[in-house]
Amino acid sequence: DVKVTQSSRYLVKRTGEKVFLECVQDMDHENMFWYRQDPGLGLRLIYFSYDVKMKEKGDIPEGYSVSREKKERFSLILESASTNQTSMYLCASSERGQAFDLNRAINSNQPQHFGDGTRLSIL
Amino acid sequence: AQKITQTQPGMFVQEKEAVTLDCTYDTSDPSYGLFWYKQPSSGEMIFLIYQGSYDQQNATEGRYSLNFQKARKSANLVISASQLGDSAMYFCAMREGFAGNQFYFGTGTSLTVIP
Repeated sequence: DVKVTQSSRYLVKRTGEKVFLECVQDMDHENMFWYRQDPGLGLRLIYFSYDVKMKEKGDIPEGYSVSREKKERFSLILESASTNQTSMYLCASSERGQAFDLNRAINSNQPQHFGDGTRLSIL
Repeated sequence: AQKITQTQPGMFVQEKEAVTLDCTYDTSDPSYGLFWYKQPSSGEMIFLIYQGSYDQQNATEGRYSLNFQKARKSANLVISASQLGDSAMYFCAMREGFAGNQFYFGTGTSLTVIP
């Protein structure tokens, strides 16, 4: 089974601190993602990475950065934590989408696999 | 425009009854995949079921089935014979394109199973 491990389930930090959230997956997945989840807003994509050292901004990248130095590890960094970054943070990984095959249509049927989440509180 | 819409913030169902959770999607790409996830109160996201846009039949996985209506762009999750352990948040998600890497999630539906 795919295992996505987030370094902490619960984390409490102070305003202005630099915060690191770590995520490791063991299935050699190309893609990795960071989301934040807030009540009534669902999952919002912060950043994703489709290869080592590659990153793409998601819907809400402001105040965050990421690092992917190794394929299995994707780190989310809060450069200067603020109270409005108190949230649940979810890491996910997936295989890269399948390439188009001229002979038949191929759906991208690989799901994302999630870690257990980190509940981050900024005081 | 929202890619995925879940219009039911909360649902209640009697134990052993069936329940349908609604999901509509928006895409102009002919190739896409639709996913449902369950999130219990403990927080982990559990993948339940997948439906591809080219699949001819509705997906089924145990007590979960997907009512896929392509023309209406809906992919409703049906849970049969509800159990207390089904109480959780349920998210619908879409992956676009032949080689799409990004997933789009709805805002979720909170399901409560009543004994």
